Amino acid sequence: SQKIEQNSEALNIQEGKTATLTCNYTNYSPAYLQWYRQDPGRGPVFLLLIRENEKEKRKERLKVTFDTTLKQSLFHITASQPADSATYLCAPGANTGNQFYFGTGTSLTVIP
Amino acid sequence: GAVVSQHPSWVICKSGTSVKIECRSLDFQATTMFWYRQFPKQSLMLMATSNEGSKATYEQGVEKDKFLINHASLTLSTLTVTSAHPEDSSFYICSARKWGGGLWQETQYFGPGTRLLVL
Repeated sequence: SQKIEQNSEALNIQEGKTATLTCNYTNYSPAYLQWYRQDPGRGPVFLLLIRENEKEKRKERLKVTFDTTLKQSLFHITASQPADSATYLCAPGANTGNQFYFGTGTSLTVIP
Repeated sequence: GAVVSQHPSWVICKSGTSVKIECRSLDFQATTMFWYRQFPKQSLMLMATSNEGSKATYEQGVEKDKFLINHASLTLSTLTVTSAHPEDSSFYICSARKWGGGLWQETQYFGPGTRLLVL
């Protein structure tokens, strides 16, 4: 069955450092992969999408990589700020079917 | 942009009663919406795909008679938790995708969620 795992449940880093979050998937061949941010008690918000033919995507302080051989995506937040503290979710997407499944999520805390 | 609303945001009910949650796409038509459930400190679990004008598609292990989904219009889907019990207490979130250019656009737009507490 399809499985989506994110590296750790919780990640604490010092302000200003780079946070790196991992998303691994099995029994899946996604055409693209998305990252979402979720704050407590709220719905997720879309951050970035990367396609299978793209190695890297950037948006301001965010960077996503996608390695279809390793079946892995890395999500980086550079110059992290306390406001980046949230749970981050990955969601591989397929061209067939229109539903999404989410990874287990990583709770990031940026310590001032 | 795309805005999805949910109502109510909070509901407390007695065990055995039914609760209806509404999900609306405010500025676009959503022929398909999704219902997720989230327990504290856990990820979103897809419950069902709601299709306008037809039956919902439920994920394995989700009781369709327990969680009734109706998608009667292009902008509204409802989830009714029937005969709710304390174990149904959870955070319910809906989402929708836009259709454009002959394709489903990849991004999902989420509602703010509904917190259900069953006493």
